[in-house]
Amino acid sequence: DQQVKQNSPSLSVQEGRISILNCDYTNSMFDYFLWYKKYPAEGPTFLISISSIKDKNEDGRFTVFLNKSAKHLSLHIVPSQPGDSAVYFCAPCDRGSTLGRLYFGRGTQLTVWP
Amino acid sequence: DAGITQSPRHKVTETGTPVTLRCHQTENHRYMYWYRQDPGHGLRLIHYSYGVKDTDKGEVSDGYSVSRSKTEDFLLTLESATSSQTSVYFCAIGIAGLAVADTQYFGPGTRLTVL
Repeated sequence: DQQVKQNSPSLSVQEGRISILNCDYTNSMFDYFLWYKKYPAEGPTFLISISSIKDKNEDGRFTVFLNKSAKHLSLHIVPSQPGDSAVYFCAPCDRGSTLGRLYFGRGTQLTVWP
Repeated sequence: DAGITQSPRHKVTETGTPVTLRCHQTENHRYMYWYRQDPGHGLRLIHYSYGVKDTDKGEVSDGYSVSRSKTEDFLLTLESATSSQTSVYFCAIGIAGLAVADTQYFGPGTRLTVL
C-alpha cells in the first residue's frame, strides 16, 4: 500500500521555465514533508521541507506548497537550471510516531534542457 | 556535509555468502537508518536505530540484521545474501528538530551485487 505517490515518473522543462513536481499522500497523520534531490551515484540530498502548520515554504528558487485538505504537495523550481536535473523524492513523516521515519515516493526524474 | 561515510562503496558477492555494510558518522547523532533503493520503489526503510543497542525493523527487514555497539557505527548484515538483495543501500542520520529526528541526511551509498 503506497502512502506516498509521485505520479509523474519524469518531467522535462526548458531552462528558465518553472518546474512543478507533485506529490500526493494518504496518511492524514503526516505532519512534516521533505523533498530530496538525488543525482546518479550519490545519496539523496535534503532540499526543502514544510510543516503541516504552513501552506508554503520558500528557499531561493525552491518553493513547496502544501494543501492538507487535498493531501497534496508540490515543489516549484523557478527558474529551472540544467543543474537541477535529478530525481526528486517527496518524503513525508509523522513526527509523533516511529522516530522520524520517512516514507518515500518513487521519485520524479526532472530534466532541464537548455 | 553531515559526516557520513559508507563502506564498501561497491561490492560483488555470491549467493549464500554473508555481507556486512558499514555506516560511520562523525557527529554523534542518535538516530541512524538503513534504506535500500530499487528501480520503481523509491527508498525503503530496512532497519533503524535510536541509540546504542537500540534498533528496530523497517518495512523490508526480512533477510537483514543490524547492530549498533557504538554511536558512530551502524552495521547492516545480510546473513545469507540472495539475488533479490542486489540493490543500492543508503545510510542516513536523523537530525532532531521540534521532535525526534525529522530531517535525515544520507551517505553516498553502497552498490551491492549478489550473483
